[in-house]
Amino acid sequence: GAGVSQSPRYKVAKRGQDVALRCDPISGHVSLFWYQQALGQGPEFLTYFQNEAQLDKSGLPSDRFFAERPEGSVSTLKIQRTQQEDSAVYLCASSLMVRTYEQYFGPGTRLTVT
Amino acid sequence: DAKTTQPPSMDCAEGRAANLPCNHSTISGNEYVYWYRQIHSQGPQYIIHGLKNNETNEMASLIITEDRKSSTLILPHATLRDTAVYYCIVTPGSARQLTFGSGTQLTVLP
Repeated sequence: GAGVSQSPRYKVAKRGQDVALRCDPISGHVSLFWYQQALGQGPEFLTYFQNEAQLDKSGLPSDRFFAERPEGSVSTLKIQRTQQEDSAVYLCASSLMVRTYEQYFGPGTRLTVT
Repeated sequence: DAKTTQPPSMDCAEGRAANLPCNHSTISGNEYVYWYRQIHSQGPQYIIHGLKNNETNEMASLIITEDRKSSTLILPHATLRDTAVYYCIVTPGSARQLTFGSGTQLTVLP
């Protein structure tokens, strides 16, 4: 079946621009996660949704980062006024609510801020 | 979450067993051991998890020591496609976020 998809796969933004990254989770997966992965490092948690409710946003690095999942399926991660340190791969994952440890990851969006 | 320690890199010959160690000496009673791997340019992939018993699935086996302070992930017959970074994660079963460390880069050699 279809896995988690993310778009765009690559995004180049000039410093100060706003970007929006999209995640389509696996159908039926209630839980959705966003992670940020800097080059050569492991993924770092950003935020978690259960259906449309954002239950944990403790990992968002600043108020320039905003995530939403208005209908409980597709999610968008928005970064306002991008800065060079935002350059990273942004990974989306989804899971069944009762198996949040078994997360299915998308291929990621590689964001480069110039 | 308990801190984990993994070697930064390991090599393994194709067709041989790959044994990846993980130390988690401060693990708590309610924390599970999870293993994920990340093939280059892909998202991480769940492999296996356990609490205190050894576990096996179609991908790998997980051996947890009796004191639960360390574990070993075993890939019984490594192939070139198993070349990846392997992450050992220790966290409560109810946890939602995964805390990835630096992992072990496993290179399977032909």
